[in-house]
Amino acid sequence: DTAVSQTPKYLVTQMGNDKSIKCEQNLGHDTMYWYKQDSKKFLKIMFSYNNKELIINETVPNRFSPKSPDKAHLNLHINSLELGDSAVYFCASSQDWTGLYEQYFGPGTRLTVT
Amino acid sequence: GQQVMQIPQYQHVQEGEDFTTYCNSSTTLSNIQWYKQRPGGHPVFLIQLVKSGEVKKQKRLTFQFGEAKKNSSLHITATQTTDVGTYFCATNAGKSTFGDGTTLTVKP
Repeated sequence: DTAVSQTPKYLVTQMGNDKSIKCEQNLGHDTMYWYKQDSKKFLKIMFSYNNKELIINETVPNRFSPKSPDKAHLNLHINSLELGDSAVYFCASSQDWTGLYEQYFGPGTRLTVT
Repeated sequence: GQQVMQIPQYQHVQEGEDFTTYCNSSTTLSNIQWYKQRPGGHPVFLIQLVKSGEVKKQKRLTFQFGEAKKNSSLHITATQTTDVGTYFCATNAGKSTFGDGTTLTVKP
């Protein structure tokens, strides 16, 4: 069974479009995250939710809007896509928000904006 | 917030050589975690260190947490081609912060 799953795995779209990435975890974890990994492999936190509540909101353009309908799901909607949004987006989950438990990462969504 | 600096960014070794990556912080860390990301894959948790001066081993991998809890290292003895990938340190208490990673390539 896949612990953290993301869809789609690949996403190719044009500038200006709006797209969504979905994430689901079946681990019963309270906390979920979105990360952006650029071409240099730097892994940057974007958002974190704990039990559907937003707890981390980094300096991310407001074109990015996360939504957590329940604690097992965390989706990411991106409006007006730009070339610089091209990256791999990882979803992750952990038992709680304290940072004292390991994070489980999804397989990633490779977004290419043309 | 807590930030971690990781060096080197890249390391190329001959198979059988040792490898070390270092993680440093200007502030005391509550914990440090290490992850490995294989090429084309996702980060996978390796280990967590919590105590001052802690040393943990996993086969050929040795993890250390400094006495002041401001630095950590991951050492691989006698690298193999299966060790290739990017190794990240991370401190997650309060905010999830990953180091910039060290990408290891191993020449057979």
